[in-house]
Amino acid sequence: EPEVTQTPSHQVTQMGQEVILRCVPISNHLYFYWYRQILGQKVEFLVSFYNNEISEKSEIFDDQFSVERPDGSNFTLKIRSTKLEDSAMYFCASRDIEAFFGQGTRLTVV
Amino acid sequence: GQSLEQPSEVTAVEGAIVQINCTYQTSGFYGLSWYQQHDGGAPTFLSYNALDGLEETGRFSSFLSRSDSYGYLLLQELQMKDSASYFCAVNRDDKIIFGKGTRLHILP
Repeated sequence: EPEVTQTPSHQVTQMGQEVILRCVPISNHLYFYWYRQILGQKVEFLVSFYNNEISEKSEIFDDQFSVERPDGSNFTLKIRSTKLEDSAMYFCASRDIEAFFGQGTRLTVV
Repeated sequence: GQSLEQPSEVTAVEGAIVQINCTYQTSGFYGLSWYQQHDGGAPTFLSYNALDGLEETGRFSSFLSRSDSYGYLLLQELQMKDSASYFCAVNRDDKIIFGKGTRLHILP
């Protein structure tokens, strides 16, 4: 069964550092997403990506964040100058009708 | 704006039936999805309703009424492994918006 893969599974970074979270979506899907989930809370939409550009982003997705599809398979989320409150689980998803989620990257900012 | 409302917690007994309701307000509505998430895991797709009515997948069924902006997830013959959080989600053409989730506790 096709799956979305994310690396790393856990990332610890110092406040102020930049991190790049990586995702390989399902190859024939057209929509790609990043979501985040703070521990115990709901899954929050960050950004959607379609046809090699951002189609929508939430108010959370400010200038600190950026996404790229550097090649035909990878989809990355970059967080510049991380803050303590960026600590969360970050999920990548790709979609046909239903969304398939990766297992997430747990980001811990210290 | 967009909003989804679902109960924060539901408790049921193993073997019983439980219904988790969801109401939504959104523009550009394509359909209502349901996802299951176990602690520490990723959300996994359960069902999708684009049209009014009931969709059945094994022990799980989902219902949608577009005129009422309302749907529910019905879980039958509850098993302990069904203990998880359940999210309703609105599908739009460009994104999926999740509710806050319902934590389902199952008692033996």
